[in-house]
Amino acid sequence: EVQLLESGGGLVQPGGSLRLSCAASGFTFSSHAMSWVRQAPGKGLEWVSGSSGSGTTTYYADSVKGRFTISRDNSKNTVYLQMNSLRAEDTAVYYCAKGRFYYDSAGSDYWGQGTLVTVAS
Amino acid sequence: QSVLTQPPSASGTPGQRVTISCSGSTSNIGSNTVNWYQQLAGTAPKLLMYGNNQRPSGVPDRFSGSKSGTSASLAISGLQSEDEADYYCGTWDDSLSAYAFGTGTKVTVL
Repeated sequence: EVQLLESGGGLVQPGGSLRLSCAASGFTFSSHAMSWVRQAPGKGLEWVSGSSGSGTTTYYADSVKGRFTISRDNSKNTVYLQMNSLRAEDTAVYYCAKGRFYYDSAGSDYWGQGTLVTVAS
Repeated sequence: QSVLTQPPSASGTPGQRVTISCSGSTSNIGSNTVNWYQQLAGTAPKLLMYGNNQRPSGVPDRFSGSKSGTSASLAISGLQSEDEADYYCGTWDDSLSAYAFGTGTKVTVL
């Protein structure tokens, strides 16, 4: 059974940093892309970032490019999202999602339950 | 703003057929396959359809998907109360080098 467990969310001041983690199990982690998707309160889904199975290919939404970094440790079956220079508009539930294939272009087939990030002073 | 446009809402009575559209362009829907996601209130999204018209195991066959040119559609036939949810289309955008979600459609069962 595929399981994705996010952690690391919380309250942070504008301009601050936060690192999210997502521990995965139930599938061959290094064979699948992993991505982060967020959902602001009452809003729709927004893809944030994706990583290929090896982690050598990464993609970012324009809204976070230069501020967020996705990485993964395949020895720990964990994907991370380092978030710097946080803004109020980054406030959202952040979901970790498993890619259908090695690259992220085919979308995700399993999602974690999400972790809430609140950026406020 | 999303590059994929969906109607904000759709509704029907139990047993009716409801269709949700997803409009894009040549760089996204026109070039890649489309997925559909269902999000029940207060829960994480769930993959409902992949590869334009393929249902994951466990998804009832009253859900069907199609794609034509730069648009895609999700149809729910025999609408049931448990289908009340938000639905999102999604696909890769070659110009953005990013995955894109549609604006979302809230389906209400009257």
